[in-house]
Amino acid sequence: GQSLEQPSEVTAVEGAIVQINCTYQTSGFYGLSWYQQHDGGAPTFLSYNALDGLEETGRFSSFLSRSDSYGYLLLQELQMKDSASYFCAVSPNTGFQKLVFGTGTRLLVSP
Amino acid sequence: DTAVSQTPKYLVTQMGNDKSIKCEQNLGHDTMYWYKQDSKKFLKIMFSYNNKELIINETVPNRFSPKSPDKAHLNLHINSLELGDSAVYFCASSQVVQGDGYTFGSGTRLTVV
Repeated sequence: GQSLEQPSEVTAVEGAIVQINCTYQTSGFYGLSWYQQHDGGAPTFLSYNALDGLEETGRFSSFLSRSDSYGYLLLQELQMKDSASYFCAVSPNTGFQKLVFGTGTRLLVSP
Repeated sequence: DTAVSQTPKYLVTQMGNDKSIKCEQNLGHDTMYWYKQDSKKFLKIMFSYNNKELIINETVPNRFSPKSPDKAHLNLHINSLELGDSAVYFCASSQVVQGDGYTFGSGTRLTVV
């Protein structure tokens, strides 16, 4: 099976940099994804790491280390609109298309 | 041009009733899903369909019955609703290619009273 653990809440101020960690126990997966969800909204896709290393998409970067069973999402130049919940997710290599989500991290950005 | 649209957005109903949620995607994706998000915001897959064929049923009670008339539509029918069914239900779609991400609908908040 798969389990992905994230901190429940992270707080930061505007303009700062914040890292949201994701540690996992899984038998095997294709890649690690990150999704953002604002209150009352739908999860939206942010990034995907198939290989170890850093992927950068604008202010957001995502990192994966399979040897450490660990990944993180890095948000730079924080803005108030970044206040949301963030989920890591894996695509298990069981041959069936699905995403298994982490426990989620609520990010609160203050002025 | 909504990519994944689901209706209704809110559903309040009494225990024991039967209700349906509809979902449509105009992205041309091959695979559609139903996810349940509970009060602690945990997202869990319920069903997955690929080209109208059921490929994943994650030990969901038989009261939940998905139906996919074509690859652009995936509906969810729930019989004999229970208090524990209260949650937000999300429809989503994706292509098989890893890394493209899922596109989620706006969700249906189901409240059973």
